[in-house]
Amino acid sequence: QVQLVQSGSELKKPGASVRVSCKASGFTLTSYAMNWVRQAPGQGLEWMGWINTNTGNPTYAQGFTGRFVFSLDTSVSTAYLQISSLEAEDTAVYFCTRAAYGSHWFDYWGQGTLVTVSS
Amino acid sequence: QSALTQPASVSGSPGQSITISCTGTSSDVGGYNYVFWYQQHPGKAPKLMIYDVNNRPSGVSNRFSGSKSANTASLTISGLQAEDEADYYCSSYTSSNSHVFGGGTKLTVL
Repeated sequence: QVQLVQSGSELKKPGASVRVSCKASGFTLTSYAMNWVRQAPGQGLEWMGWINTNTGNPTYAQGFTGRFVFSLDTSVSTAYLQISSLEAEDTAVYFCTRAAYGSHWFDYWGQGTLVTVSS
Repeated sequence: QSALTQPASVSGSPGQSITISCTGTSSDVGGYNYVFWYQQHPGKAPKLMIYDVNNRPSGVSNRFSGSKSANTASLTISGLQAEDEADYYCSSYTSSNSHVFGGGTKLTVL
């Protein structure tokens, strides 16, 4: 069955970096675009951008350029989100979610990864 | 890209129907039939409930339906059940090839 399994919660200090992984199974990764969505505590969903799983080309939403990097390792069917120079405002749950090429809806989601930034 | 506008909360009694609105602009909701609705229970990942304005994925109850008029989309839940209590988010594809979510609506089943 289709699954997106994300890495576990992270506690980081301000200024550090974090990498969140999203392992896909039950489907061919390269048939779907991988998107990332952020949800701050008690807040709504915010689209961060997506990565083309065929070319590895990332596209970042406004507000997610510079410190955020999407990457892939297709050999292990895994997408990654790296955030550098962490700030307290980066504290959130980060979701990976897929969309079939040619469609725009997110049909399967990872379980979410809580990243907490605190000194 | 500004967030789509949803009511913060709606409520209804079991068996009743409720409607959640989602207002955008001609650059998102009004410009495309790419409006989606997601349900999120506390501590869980969102779940796709409606795609392309009014289509239900396999496995989603036919009590859920979507519609759109101009720049406003709507999600209607009929025959309200306790398990429908959750947060609901609308989303739209946009003219800048991006996605935008609404602020979310908390549905309370009384």
